[in-house]
Amino acid sequence: DAGVIQSPRHEVTEMGQEVTLRCKPISGHDYLFWYRQTMMRGLELLIYFNNNVPIDDSGMPEDRFSAKMPNASFSTLKIQPSEPRDSAVYFCASSLRATEWDEAFFGQGTRLTVV
Amino acid sequence: AQSVAQPEDQVNVAEGNPLTVKCTYSVSGNPYLFWYVQYPNRGLQFLLKYITGDNLVKGSYGFEAEFNKSQTSFHLKKPSALVSDSALYFCAVRDGNRDDKIIFGKGTRLHILP
Repeated sequence: DAGVIQSPRHEVTEMGQEVTLRCKPISGHDYLFWYRQTMMRGLELLIYFNNNVPIDDSGMPEDRFSAKMPNASFSTLKIQPSEPRDSAVYFCASSLRATEWDEAFFGQGTRLTVV
Repeated sequence: AQSVAQPEDQVNVAEGNPLTVKCTYSVSGNPYLFWYVQYPNRGLQFLLKYITGDNLVKGSYGFEAEFNKSQTSFHLKKPSALVSDSALYFCAVRDGNRDDKIIFGKGTRLHILP
């Protein structure tokens, strides 16, 4: 397996534009997590899914943020409209069944810059 | 809700010396604990985990960590540091009694001085 795949690796956009980040988890993993990393706040959990169902989105900062997982092999994180303070590195991670309490495997991240 | 604290933003260690990166946690159920490392412009890489059993767990690159239930700690250690160990280290916790999320600490930047 190629691991968790995120796209794009880098995104530069203007304030007010819509941004969509994409993630392909490792095949067979039941959990998918979206994290945001900034210098000030460290690594924050935004939302996570179990078997394609959103379980906890309490970390999503505002209604401008939304995430979907239409099937087991794909998830998106959308920001609309984007603002400069959304600039960060966004990571997607996946893990196996909860009963195995396995570690999470991370993608390479998407570095988002909103100007 | 679970939480993780890494009290040191940065740790400096001379090459060849032992290193320790501290982590304390809080969960309502059984703690499942993890350490990750992040190199510049890369994603997080798994180092080791504690689920159950021996309190001393060994992981990648010669790292180990000791689970201490009474002190609610899971410090990362290595007997002899390498310059290549310089990176950002994250401790994480998952509540073993719940079908729950993985929460990370803020990270500790480790500098190994040649």
